[in-house]
Amino acid sequence: RKEVEQDPGPFNVPEGATVAFNCTYSNSASQSFFWYRQDCRKEPKLLMSVYSSGNEDGRFTAQLNRASQYISLLIRDSKLSDSATYLCVVNHNTNAGKSTFGDGTTLTVKP
Amino acid sequence: DAGVIQSPRHEVTEMGQEVTLRCKPISGHNSLFWYRQTMMRGLELLIYFNNNVPIDDSGMPEDRFSAKMPNASFSTLKIQPSEPRDSAVYFCASRGLTSGSYEQYFGPGTRLTVT
Repeated sequence: RKEVEQDPGPFNVPEGATVAFNCTYSNSASQSFFWYRQDCRKEPKLLMSVYSSGNEDGRFTAQLNRASQYISLLIRDSKLSDSATYLCVVNHNTNAGKSTFGDGTTLTVKP
Repeated sequence: DAGVIQSPRHEVTEMGQEVTLRCKPISGHNSLFWYRQTMMRGLELLIYFNNNVPIDDSGMPEDRFSAKMPNASFSTLKIQPSEPRDSAVYFCASRGLTSGSYEQYFGPGTRLTVT
């Protein structure tokens, strides 16, 4: 079993749709969580951190469930520009800050 | 602010040649990571440094790969000899541990093709 697992995707949705991605992690000692976005042939870029209380940034909402060891990303009113691969990242602070990336979920938003 | 800088951006070389990839982290960051990304295997951590010291190199594929960080502003990843299966995009990322933050910032990557 992989340390970080994401929905396999791909997700193909129309503009304006709401889409949600889930990510599970196996290391219960994990302490920091992030969502990154990667466009085709570009580097991953930080989308948002994920806090225990959940956090929102515009159309994006991230949530953490420590008991079930999963994090989620919700995108509301999706735009064509949201088309990208979304990577779930888990940081193991007990290992001097090593981060583990999921394989990513690809989202395509269509007109 | 300048982000993470990598060079070259593209490298095409023949099998057996030595390849050196370079990275300049964000000023003030004290952790540096080297990743490799392919369609088949996704994003793989090769090695990372904290305060210029290698912490975990378990992701380095084999002895043909080596990485150094002689100072806080420069790191290299060397492949010698290179093989076609090394073809991938190599990313460097840096991180500053201020306020317990663990976000990494990636460079634009080096696209390596070994023929």
